[in-house]
Amino acid sequence: AQSVTQLGSHVSVSEGALVLLRCNYSSSVPPYLFWYVQYPNQGLQLLLKYTSAATLVKGINGFEAEFKKSETSFHLTKPSAHMSDAAEYFCAVSYSGGSNYKLTFGKGTLLTVNP
Amino acid sequence: GAGVSQSPRYKVAKRGQDVALRCDPISGHVSLFWYQQALGQGPEFLTYFQNEAQLDKSGLPSDRFFAERPEGSVSTLKIQRTQQEDSAVYLCASSLARGAVPLQFFGPGTRLTVL
Repeated sequence: AQSVTQLGSHVSVSEGALVLLRCNYSSSVPPYLFWYVQYPNQGLQLLLKYTSAATLVKGINGFEAEFKKSETSFHLTKPSAHMSDAAEYFCAVSYSGGSNYKLTFGKGTLLTVNP
Repeated sequence: GAGVSQSPRYKVAKRGQDVALRCDPISGHVSLFWYQQALGQGPEFLTYFQNEAQLDKSGLPSDRFFAERPEGSVSTLKIQRTQQEDSAVYLCASSLARGAVPLQFFGPGTRLTVL
């Protein structure tokens, strides 16, 4: 069975500071991993994905994540936070073990950016 | 349209009423998913269609929940005899057929409030 744990339901950073959102996964088969962002009253927007190619993945808006199999982690980072990054972030896992690529999500991390 | 659309965006129902939520996927997308997102939680999988076939309904919480996609395009999620615990945002996502990591594109969701 798959599961995702996001450490920290709320992260607060200052504008210009490093953003680090943590995600650990559990999967019995090689996973596909995703980070999504959700702005208020909007659907989920894909930030980046890991699909067994490069372990360091670059996404949109300056975000990147590194897949570390030994740590079963896929933490999301951004060197310098911007006010527009304030949103909720979800880590998700899927796998290619069948015809159903359903996503299993973590509970989310709310990022606030202080001026 | 260019993206996944859902209607209505907001729905208020009295306990015991039936509701129907609609999802228009991206044109040509074979796969369609429904997720339920309770307040403060990550989305949880409800059901999956490949064309008109419902291949996985393991996430439907009770037999009051029913989904269909009769022509392999538009999908409807129906909830009968709504209960307060059904209050949530219902998200629809679509993706291309199975291939190299079919990415899911999400609609804006329908926020259901059951009074």
